[in-house]
Amino acid sequence: DVKVTQSSRYLVKRTGEKVFLECVQDMDHENMFWYRQDPGLGLRLIYFSYDVKMKEKGDIPEGYSVSREKKERFSLILESASTNQTSMYLCASSPGQGSGEQYFGPGTRLTVT
Amino acid sequence: DQQVKQNSPSLSVQEGRISILNCDYTNSMFDYFLWYKKYPAEGPTFLISISSIKDKNEDGRFTVFLNKSAKHLSLHIVPSQPGDSAVYFCAASVIGGTYKYIFGTGTRLKVLA
Repeated sequence: DVKVTQSSRYLVKRTGEKVFLECVQDMDHENMFWYRQDPGLGLRLIYFSYDVKMKEKGDIPEGYSVSREKKERFSLILESASTNQTSMYLCASSPGQGSGEQYFGPGTRLTVT
Repeated sequence: DQQVKQNSPSLSVQEGRISILNCDYTNSMFDYFLWYKKYPAEGPTFLISISSIKDKNEDGRFTVFLNKSAKHLSLHIVPSQPGDSAVYFCAASVIGGTYKYIFGTGTRLKVLA
């Protein structure tokens, strides 16, 4: 049974702080993804990684960076948090190339004040 | 430019009736489609998928139909149950492509008891 865990369910940070969101998957999946979910906008891809130390920008990478030092762990970094980064952040993983389902973590509700 | 569109933000259906959720896409390169269900405060969970070589895929109460010429897919839930009340996202990708899925904006389904 695939499990994707995220380090926090709820997080409150101040404007300008550096924020780390961590994601761990236990199924040896090659691909990992970070999305944000906002009302009326659906899920938008921030970054993804198809291998250790490999990363590619998604549709909205500005203001974010990522790190994948180990296959099971994918971190999202907000270099200097801003109020427009208040959102639900979802991590996902998947095996293989381009097909097959993605398995999602429970999400982190981040509020930046 | 929204490549995957769910034009109905919400839908209400009586218990026992059919729920039909629609999704349109613009990129003719997409050849793999998925539906996810999301409850509040949880990550999306995979429901059903279809590749472009098929026009129908069925799994229990859930059936997905694909009309490639119209670039349209739909999810049918029969019979609808109160536990089906959730937000439904469709997603599209290119098999063997860049591992990216493009998600729609979601449709909130409410099944009335």
